[in-house]
Amino acid sequence: KNEVEQSPQNLTAQEGEFITINCSYSVGISALHWLQQHPGGGIVSLFMLSSGKKKHGRLIATINIQEKHSSLHITASHPRDSAVYICAVSYTGNQFYFGTGTSLTVIP
Amino acid sequence: NAGVTQTPKFRVLKTGQSMTLLCAQDMNHEYMYWYRQDPGMGLRLIHYSVGEGTTAKGEVPDGYNVSRLKKQNFLLGLESAAPSQTSVYFCASSLQVLQETQYFGPGTRLLVL
Repeated sequence: KNEVEQSPQNLTAQEGEFITINCSYSVGISALHWLQQHPGGGIVSLFMLSSGKKKHGRLIATINIQEKHSSLHITASHPRDSAVYICAVSYTGNQFYFGTGTSLTVIP
Repeated sequence: NAGVTQTPKFRVLKTGQSMTLLCAQDMNHEYMYWYRQDPGMGLRLIHYSVGEGTTAKGEVPDGYNVSRLKKQNFLLGLESAAPSQTSVYFCASSLQVLQETQYFGPGTRLLVL
């Protein structure tokens, strides 16, 4: 089975802190995705990466293909960033495998 | 654009009953997916479709059937519901290949008693 592991499982931060969420996978991938699941349950795609780094607003995603590792960073965190962040990977063939998510709470 | 919609939002079934979940997208996407989300397990792919008239099995297909008769609709059927199928079901779509961004529906919460 292709495993996707995220750390930490839970994270509490003070508003304004720099946050890092990690994702590791076991075999070579076609692409890696970061998703955000809101407290109400809705899921939004944040980034899709196959190499390097992407930035959108206060969110930065990086991937190291050799180390099979990706990180999601949130700069100047805000309570509205509170959500579950999910890492997912796609391999050759039409399959997607998801991590169990990191639950982030940002305290004012 | 409504994006991806799911019907119903919530349903309670008794063991052995059948039901169909409907997913609709108005983005002209080729790929559509059905996932289930269970506590502590992350999302898992049930079935997917790479185009109208095609379907394929995902990671956990047993107990489910799907159909893609129209490009915009992807139906997930439970012929004989079991308590193990209690879950939140998400539909998603993407423009073409799997490496494209997926757009998710709001989810359907299903409780099987």
